[in-house]
Amino acid sequence: DIQMTQSPSSLSASIGDRVTITCRASQGISDYLAWFQQKPGKAPKSLIYAASGLRSGVPSKFSGSGSGTQFTLTISSLQPEDFATYYCQQYNSYPYTFGQGTKLEMK
Amino acid sequence: QVQLQESGPGLVKPSQTLSLTCTVSGGSISSGGYYWSWIRQHPGKGLEYIGYIYYSGTTYYNPSLRSRITLSVDTSKNQFSLKLNSVTAADTAVYYCARDAPSDGGSFDYWGQGILVTVAS
Repeated sequence: DIQMTQSPSSLSASIGDRVTITCRASQGISDYLAWFQQKPGKAPKSLIYAASGLRSGVPSKFSGSGSGTQFTLTISSLQPEDFATYYCQQYNSYPYTFGQGTKLEMK
Repeated sequence: QVQLQESGPGLVKPSQTLSLTCTVSGGSISSGGYYWSWIRQHPGKGLEYIGYIYYSGTTYYNPSLRSRITLSVDTSKNQFSLKLNSVTAADTAVYYCARDAPSDGGSFDYWGQGILVTVAS
């Protein structure tokens, strides 16, 4: 299985900040990488597909980049609703696997 | 707008079979092009991919669960289902159904709200 490792595991930031979360794959996955946002008690919400594609309806403050084994999710101008846990997921090969999550907390 | 909704018992006894159904609305499973998937999340933990079923009945099961899983689809009801047998406390989790959309960028674009299944006597 492809291992997905996110860093940091937790992140403290303030309203208006710009933050970046990193996801590393244990082997090359081209751009078959998605990002999800999950709030407590809710299902994950798709943000990014194909490493940098913005899912319909998702604000442009979310952006993704990367290819191969190294990927990033950047969130600009943090607002209260952005504080959540973020997961990356590879869909290059089965079984699909997820990162362990990055919890974004308000400072 | 596609919507998915999980249903089934919230409590299952050890060694028994966990059975869940996902009802799809706002789109037809029979139209093809999507892989109807199950994902679970242990309490306070990350996400684990269980597998998918295509409208034709083609399936993929995560090898970690393959010996205990059966996925099925009922296109007449626009539903797909998960059966996980010989459950233990380690199968306690929130179970999500989701749509895998390879032709719409890939990965999971729509999710159900999730259902907590507790394995306990």
